[in-house]
Amino acid sequence: EAGVAQSPRYKIIEKRQSVAFWCNPISGHATLYWYQQILGQGPKLLIQFQNNGVVDDSQLPKDRFSAERLKGVDSTLKIQPAKLEDSAVYLCASSFVAGIQETQYFGPGTRLLVL
Amino acid sequence: AQTVTQSQPEMSVQEAETVTLSCTYDTSESDYYLFWYKQPPSRQMILVIRQEAYKQQNATENRFSVNFQKAAKSFSLKISDSQLGDAAMYFCARAAGNMLTFGGGTRLMVKP
Repeated sequence: EAGVAQSPRYKIIEKRQSVAFWCNPISGHATLYWYQQILGQGPKLLIQFQNNGVVDDSQLPKDRFSAERLKGVDSTLKIQPAKLEDSAVYLCASSFVAGIQETQYFGPGTRLLVL
Repeated sequence: AQTVTQSQPEMSVQEAETVTLSCTYDTSESDYYLFWYKQPPSRQMILVIRQEAYKQQNATENRFSVNFQKAAKSFSLKISDSQLGDAAMYFCARAAGNMLTFGGGTRLMVKP
């Protein structure tokens, strides 16, 4: 079974530029998550999708971050414009369904450096 | 905010020895799950073990076991017979409501 795929793996941009990350979850997984992991910290949830609907985006900085999952499969996360403090690893995860008992499977992450 | 705290930023263990990683959490939910995830350097995060809060019996997975103290809101991970491949960041996490909340992590070093 293929795991969660993410691209690109690394991205370097200058502040005020825009950037987009892509995630393909495990086949059949209805729930998709985006996390931000700042160096030395645990991941922090940005947004959770159930199929193509948003379940929770309370911690997404909506003035600069946006995410979509139009067909209920792949997802993109965009930052526009980027700030220095956005430097982090962006992790995508998926689970079969939403629920506290569900194991989340993580992708390898996209490491973003904003200069 | 409901938090998950890992008080040990770094731990080291001799190969083949046993090490315990600490985690405390808070929650107002009666129904929740607890997880330990492992994140090797430059590799993706994988689940090590999980515990349902309503179960009194501590979860075990081969060399990994937990000590779940519900009243104290404590959830420690014991790694027995440590191996070089156990070297990684370990994150404790609590799932309640719709959200998985992570602790700050403990870096485990294994000495040959």
